[in-house]
Amino acid sequence: EVQLVEAGGGLVQPGGSLRLSCAASGFSLSSYSMSWVRQVPGKGLEGVANIKQDGSEEYYVDSVKGRFTMSRDNAKNSLYLQMNSLRAEDTAVYYCTRDQFWRTGSISVHYMDVWGKGTTVTVSS
Amino acid sequence: IQLTQSPSFLSASVGDRVTITCRASQGISSSLAWYRQKSGKAPKLLIYGASTLQSGVPLRYSGSGSGTEFTLTISSLQPEDFATYYCQQLNGYPVFGGGTKVDIK
Repeated sequence: EVQLVEAGGGLVQPGGSLRLSCAASGFSLSSYSMSWVRQVPGKGLEGVANIKQDGSEEYYVDSVKGRFTMSRDNAKNSLYLQMNSLRAEDTAVYYCTRDQFWRTGSISVHYMDVWGKGTTVTVSS
Repeated sequence: IQLTQSPSFLSASVGDRVTITCRASQGISSSLAWYRQKSGKAPKLLIYGASTLQSGVPLRYSGSGSGTEFTLTISSLQPEDFATYYCQQLNGYPVFGGGTKVDIK
């Protein structure tokens, strides 16, 4: 069964750090780009970061640039999100996703076809 | 690139035809996906490439559009369709519309 399982969420004080992990099963992580998406309770979805298949490129939403780092270990079929200098506004459920992406000429297609159940991060004193 | 969904909220009945619009701040060809999220659950992919139905998604769902204006249509609303819907595009990282909550009238 194709599955993503996030772990590592919890309660952390403002300014603190947390490392989320995402374990992939049922497919080879090395074949896919991956993303982290978060959702503040009662609010909409926000894309946080994306990493290419081989980890050569990463992209971040402006609000987390310089604080969050996304990485992957394809040999362990695992994805990570290192979160430093956490703020109250980082409180959210964090989902990891498997991405499908291809480009034909000037046309590109991207979507997220597998989602984990999410892990909750609470930043509070 | 910003995605703007409308309406933010709509009230409908089982069997109704429902249409949700997503507008992009600049042309994105047909690179748009739609998701449904039920309360407390992870989002589920419905449509990608603006109009391609994901495997296993019921045929009552359809998507159309290209460039800057896109629509998601549910031809006959079912009880499990009362949820929040999001459009999404990639701008390095994923970008989502603000969401449309479909509630029971």
